[in-house]
Amino acid sequence: GAVVSQHPSRVICKSGTSVKIECRSLDFQATTMFWYRQFPKQSLMLMATSNEGSKATYEQGVEKDKFLINHASLTLSTLTVTSAHPEDSSFYICSASTGTGGLNEKLFFGSGTQLSVL
Amino acid sequence: TQLLEQSPQFLSIQEGENLTVYCNSSSVFSSLQWYRQEPGEGPVLLVTVVTGGEVKKLKRLTFQFGDARKDSSLHITAAQPGDTGLYLCAGGSPGLMTTDSWGKLQFGAGTQVVVTP
Repeated sequence: GAVVSQHPSRVICKSGTSVKIECRSLDFQATTMFWYRQFPKQSLMLMATSNEGSKATYEQGVEKDKFLINHASLTLSTLTVTSAHPEDSSFYICSASTGTGGLNEKLFFGSGTQLSVL
Repeated sequence: TQLLEQSPQFLSIQEGENLTVYCNSSSVFSSLQWYRQEPGEGPVLLVTVVTGGEVKKLKRLTFQFGDARKDSSLHITAAQPGDTGLYLCAGGSPGLMTTDSWGKLQFGAGTQVVVTP
């Protein structure tokens, strides 16, 4: 099956610094990627939809200036958490769409990034 | 916002027992997916159901989509320790079948399943 690679898997940073997380589709082109946030023992919350070559679409309540998304190519989307604070500590997961559309569309998830802000 | 409610939240059983996890909503979904997630990993897709009343089997796992496409169930027969994980259901909204909207899934809160030897 398709593989989505997410890096880093774990990052610890100081409060006020910025952290970049990469999401790559390894064997397919992903015109659309999605970024989620997951708190312990809770479900995935969609943060934004990343479209190659255009601005990301953010879900209500997600600060676009706080969570910068860049989808510069068909295989790479990045999420930058700017001026991170302890409340940004969470598990961040990306997913990539195979782009075929319709009911046969498939969504593959990265392995996640555990962000801890001290 | 269409909400998906999963029950139970937590399930602990012995190896060899059967279990059922439920996913319910008051809204209709165009499709519903089941994922299994292990700690520190992303979710892995198990199955997608799209037709009301559909039943799909994946070895010891049986998935059912309700006739009205508002609910689904996952049944595991003769559970094994390897079935341990967080099971998530996720629904796609009807009418939103464009590429960028298909992935906007609504996730349930998940059911943590623990199978002990």
